[in-house]
Amino acid sequence: NAGVTQTPKFRVLKTGQSMTLLCAQDMNHEYMYWYRQDPGMGLRLIHYSVGEGTTAKGEVPDGYNVSRLKKQNFLLGLESAAPSQTSVYFCASSLRTRDYFYEQYFGPGTRLTVT
Amino acid sequence: GQQLNQSPQSMFIQEGEDVSMNCTSSSIFNTWLWYKQEPGEGPVLLIALYKAGELTSNGRLTAQFGITRKDSFLNISASIPSDVGIYFCAGQLSQGGSEKLVFGKGTKLTVNP
Repeated sequence: NAGVTQTPKFRVLKTGQSMTLLCAQDMNHEYMYWYRQDPGMGLRLIHYSVGEGTTAKGEVPDGYNVSRLKKQNFLLGLESAAPSQTSVYFCASSLRTRDYFYEQYFGPGTRLTVT
Repeated sequence: GQQLNQSPQSMFIQEGEDVSMNCTSSSIFNTWLWYKQEPGEGPVLLIALYKAGELTSNGRLTAQFGITRKDSFLNISASIPSDVGIYFCAGQLSQGGSEKLVFGKGTKLTVNP
């Protein structure tokens, strides 16, 4: 199992450009999440999905869109990148256990710089 | 949003020393998770706790789920240089949006050989 993989690992964008980050998991997990990590801010939830075809807003959703067309993939889009979106982006997935417990497993991250 | 207070923010210790860090909240949690993140990598799950009072070990790591369900601690015994990294606590709220985790801001651990 590869677990959770993210593409690309690094990207530099100019202000106003768009891009899509891809997250893939091979663990058959129902739930997937996108976080951003900034110095001193910890991990902040951007959007998440509780199943194929569903998405929901997290703590910091503005400026981002997501899609979950296939169970194994979760895409994060930036339509018009801004310098404030310079960050490290992490994808995670989790399985809901019988007792409604969730353990999230993270990908290696995408380092995005917007100039 | 919900917050977890994680302390200390950073620790500088000598190899061989024991380490203790904790997380507290005003909210009740169903689950406490502890993650380690090394530079340039994603967080890796170390220990998951599911019951109040539960004490769980993973090698030199020991974590406990507080009786009040509002706190948890992580101990590392006999630290080694590869313990360096940022340790995050995370909790699953007992009600409302429980498929999401709330994260602490991390404890950065430096181990001097």
